Amino acid sequence: ELKVEQNPLFLSMQEGKNYTIYCNYSTTSDRLYWYRQDPGKSLESLFVLLSNGAVKQEGRLMASLDTKARLSTLHITAAVHDLSATYFCAAFTGNQFYFGTGTSLTVIP
Amino acid sequence: DVKVTQSSRYLVKRTGEKVFLECVQDMDHENMFWYRQDPGLGLRLIYFSYDVKMKEKGDIPEGYSVSREKKERFSLILESASTNQTSMYLCASSTLPYEQYFGPGTRLTVT
Repeated sequence: ELKVEQNPLFLSMQEGKNYTIYCNYSTTSDRLYWYRQDPGKSLESLFVLLSNGAVKQEGRLMASLDTKARLSTLHITAAVHDLSATYFCAAFTGNQFYFGTGTSLTVIP
Repeated sequence: DVKVTQSSRYLVKRTGEKVFLECVQDMDHENMFWYRQDPGLGLRLIYFSYDVKMKEKGDIPEGYSVSREKKERFSLILESASTNQTSMYLCASSTLPYEQYFGPGTRLTVT
């Protein structure tokens, strides 16, 4: 069974600062997904990374995938309050998605 | 825009009741999924279906069953609800290898 670990689990950062969320997975997976969940809401897709070396950017968020290291990162640049949410990564194998436990991000003014 | 809808946002049931949660998607996706989300545990897969009448167990199928009679509809059934099934239930659909689209969730409380 594929295991997905995210760290940190909780992240409090000041507006304007940069930070990275890490997502490690235990066995081979060629696909990695990032989702955002606002309190009381469902999950919304942010990025789909389908190959080694893939990099995707949207606004202040950038995601990358290193399949050899079994590692994906979600980098936050110059954080703003609107980015406060829980971020999940998910790896895919055997027709199933395996989710990390999520990183709860709070951006402080 | 993909729309995934779930039959109820909030549900309160008694122990031992049979509970039906319905999920409908409008994008002709082959794959549909049921998860439960609990604090500190992330999302755990209960069942998924990759075609009509086809289903596969996920990580935590015990106490649940599913039905997929039509492509757009995937139902989760709690045969005899128990208090440890109190949770947020999320339905999702996708066309692989692309991302899943999630419904709004059903918060189920079993008393």
